[in-house]
Amino acid sequence: EIVLTQSPGTLSLSPGERATLSCRASQSISSIYLAWYQQKPGQAPRLLMFGASSRATGIPDRFSGSGSGTDFTLTISRLEPEDFAVYFCQQYARSPLTFGGGTKVEIK
Amino acid sequence: QVQLQESGPGLVKPSGTLSLTCAVSGGSIISDNWWSWVRQSPGKGLEWIGEIYHSGSPNYNPSLKTRVTISVDKSKNQFSLQLTSMTAADTAVYYCARRREVDYFDYWGQGTQVTVSS
Repeated sequence: EIVLTQSPGTLSLSPGERATLSCRASQSISSIYLAWYQQKPGQAPRLLMFGASSRATGIPDRFSGSGSGTDFTLTISRLEPEDFAVYFCQQYARSPLTFGGGTKVEIK
Repeated sequence: QVQLQESGPGLVKPSGTLSLTCAVSGGSIISDNWWSWVRQSPGKGLEWIGEIYHSGSPNYNPSLKTRVTISVDKSKNQFSLQLTSMTAADTAVYYCARRREVDYFDYWGQGTQVTVSS
């Protein structure tokens, strides 16, 4: 099973600041098999990125993704009030599909 | 716009069986997509339970494989989850989701809270 470790657990930032979230895989995976999701309280996860760097439909360009092998990054260039949420990475390279533990981006 | 809606009991007794159904609307379950169940608990985060294709070929998480059955009803455009021998550790929000072809989850249900308690 591929274990995904996200860091930090919590990121305290102000609106307008840049957020950098990390996702590390226990085994090398192709970047085409890495997705990011955003989750707000009481809601289901929402797809943000797929293939590590492709934005899902309707996702603003302040969100970007990068990485390869075992290290992946989600960057939010300038935090908007609606971006404060929990973010999860997920791999679909190998079964079982697995998710990271999440990074909470909170208002400082 | 594809929509998924979970239904089923919110309370299950210990050692009982959970049965949930996911109704798919806005698209056919007969497509090049896989239909999944994912659960989320404070202790274990997001956990993929398993998935099924419209032809009926399921894939399960090995950690739950002995207790899980996922089935599809093409005539009703829905798929279902059964999880046996429930314990408190199975208390979670259960989501159904569409996995685009063999890729990422692009559509999710709103989730349903399931509590295991006597």
